[in-house]
Amino acid sequence: EIVMTQSPATLSVSPGERATLSCRASQSVSSNLAWYQQKPGQAPRLLIYGASTRATGIPARFSGSGSGTEFTLTISSLQSEDFAVYYCQQYNNWPPETFGPGTKVDIK
Amino acid sequence: QVQLVQSGAEVKKPGASVKVSCKASGYTFTSYYMHWVRQAPGQGLEWMGIINPSGGSTSYAQKFQGRVTMTRDTSTSTVYMELSSLRSEDTAVYYCASGMVATCDYWGQGTLVTVSS
Repeated sequence: EIVMTQSPATLSVSPGERATLSCRASQSVSSNLAWYQQKPGQAPRLLIYGASTRATGIPARFSGSGSGTEFTLTISSLQSEDFAVYYCQQYNNWPPETFGPGTKVDIK
Repeated sequence: QVQLVQSGAEVKKPGASVKVSCKASGYTFTSYYMHWVRQAPGQGLEWMGIINPSGGSTSYAQKFQGRVTMTRDTSTSTVYMELSSLRSEDTAVYYCASGMVATCDYWGQGTLVTVSS
C-alpha cells in the first residue's frame, strides 16, 4: 500500500498571501495524484487531478505540480473561502487508493 | 447537474450491519464509477472501495475485505454499500463519490453511521 504524507499539518496564512502545500508518496505514483478541498461540515471537492489539471470550475489561483513522489498544491492569493483542509490522493496503485492525512489552512 | 443523494443517518449496535444508499442523477449512471470513502470524527479520508455500475464489478480495500459489499441497481441509478460486523471504530461519515475511473469527481452529502451499544 502506498503511504501518502502531507506537510505541514497546519499552515497559517493571511488573506491575499500565497500558500504552498506539500504531498509525498512512499513510492512513485507517476502523475496519478489528486487534490481535494474540504470545509467543515461539507463533503470534499475535487480541485486537481493528474497532478496539475484543474477540475471543472476550479479557479486559476489553484495550481498543482510534481510527479513521481513529490507534489505541490499552490494557492496563489488566498481568499476567505479557501480556508479549509486539503487532502492529496494517489490513484496510481489501487486498491487501495490512499489519501494523505491533510493540511489545514487557517487564518493567520 | 450531477447529484448524489445519500440515505439518512443510522445508529447501529456493535455486530450489526448497515446499508447506505446513494442515488445518482444528472448523468448516465453506467458511465461513472462509484467510490465509497469514509471519515471518522475529526479524522481524515479513508477509501473503502469502488464499483463499476456498468457491470457491477467491485474492488475493495483489503482492510474491508469480507466486511463490505457494494452493489448497484441500474433501474434506479442507485448504489449501495453494506458494512457488516460493525464496531465502534466504524463510526464515521460515509460518502459516495463518482468519477470517470479513479478520481472522486462528485460527492454525496455523506451519511453518518454511529455504532454504539
